[in-house]
Parts: sequence; C-alpha cells; structure tokens
Amino acid sequence: GQSLEQPSEVTAVEGAIVQINCTYQTSGFYGLSWYQQHDGGAPTFLSYNGLDGLEETGRFSSFLSRSDSYGYLLLQELQMKDSASYFCAVTPQGGYNKLIFGAGTRLAVHP
Amino acid sequence: GAGVSQSPSNKVTEKGKDVELRCDPISGHTALYWYRQRLGQGLEFLIYFQGNSAPDKSGLPSDRFSAERTGESVSTLTIQRTQQEDSAVYLCASSARRRPYEQYFGPGTRLTVT
Repeated sequence: GQSLEQPSEVTAVEGAIVQINCTYQTSGFYGLSWYQQHDGGAPTFLSYNGLDGLEETGRFSSFLSRSDSYGYLLLQELQMKDSASYFCAVTPQGGYNKLIFGAGTRLAVHP
Repeated sequence: GAGVSQSPSNKVTEKGKDVELRCDPISGHTALYWYRQRLGQGLEFLIYFQGNSAPDKSGLPSDRFSAERTGESVSTLTIQRTQQEDSAVYLCASSARRRPYEQYFGPGTRLTVT
C-alpha cells in the first residue's frame, strides 16, 4: 500500500523560503506530484518528479529521492497569495491511473 | 479553453435520498477521475475512467456508490441511500492519457446530507 506523511501546518513570512516535506512508504510508484489548493478552491497541479533530483518551475521547485523515500516542495520569495494547502501525491505502480494524496500541509504566509 | 465543470456546485439532501453528481471533463482528455475530500483532509480516490477500458472502481467506499461515463465525455457519480458520512466535497478531474500525474480539477460539488 501507500502512505504519505506531510507536516500539517507551516508558517512563514513574505519573501522567505519554505520547504514542505513529504515522506512516504510505498511498494512502488512512478513519481511524486505536488498540488496547491486555496480555501474553497480546486487543487491545481504544481510539479511532478518522475526521476530523482530537482525540478524547477519559477518560484517553486520540487525534489525527489527514492533511496530516502522522501521528497519536498520548495517555495521561494513567498507571497501572501501562496497561503494555501499543499498536497503531495504518488502515482502508484500498477495504478498508473490515479493519485494517492497525502493529508496536505497548510501554509500560512504572514507580512 | 474550458476547464473541468461540475454540477451542482452545492447539494443538500436528506439522509436516505439518492443524489447524482455530474462532471464535464476537458475536451480531449481521455482520463477522468472522481475524488472525495472531507473537510480539512486530503483527497480520497474513488474511481477512474480511461477511454473505453473497464473503470478502476477500487476506491468506491461501498456499493451505494456508482459512476458512469459516456465515451470520453460526461460522467455521473451516483450515491444511493445517502448517509451523513457521505457529506464532503466531490471533485472530478481529467488528464491527458500520457500525463496521469497532471490532473485538472473541477470546482467540486459540496454535498451535505442532513
């Protein structure tokens, strides 16, 4: 089966850098995705790591290390609008057709 | 282009009634997914459709839940004999066949069972 763990809450100030970790226990998966969800809104895709290493998309970067069963989302130059929940999700092997989500990390950005 | 749409946006129903939720995926997306999200929690996979293949129903919580999809278009999720624990936001998503990790979500249907 699959199990993903994320911190429930993270707080940071505008302009700072924050890292949201995701550790997982899974029998096998194709890759790790990250989604952002504002209160009352729909989740939106941020990034995907199919291979180990760092993927950069503007202010956001995501990292995966399969040997450490660990990934993270890095948000730089934080803005107030980044206040949202962030979910990591795996695409399990044998289930190349669905995402298994973590419980999410609520990020609060303060002035 | 148009995104994923869902209807109704809100549904209040009495315990024991049946409800039907609708999803219109992005045109050209062959894959369609249904998820359930309870307040303050993550997304729970329910069911997946890919073209004309048999759907993956492994996430449906009970036989009261069922879903259908017409070809590569509209899907309906039906919950029979609703229970209070069914209260949640039901999210539909679609994706291109080769990018299942990049899903586009609709705004959801908030279901409240009284």
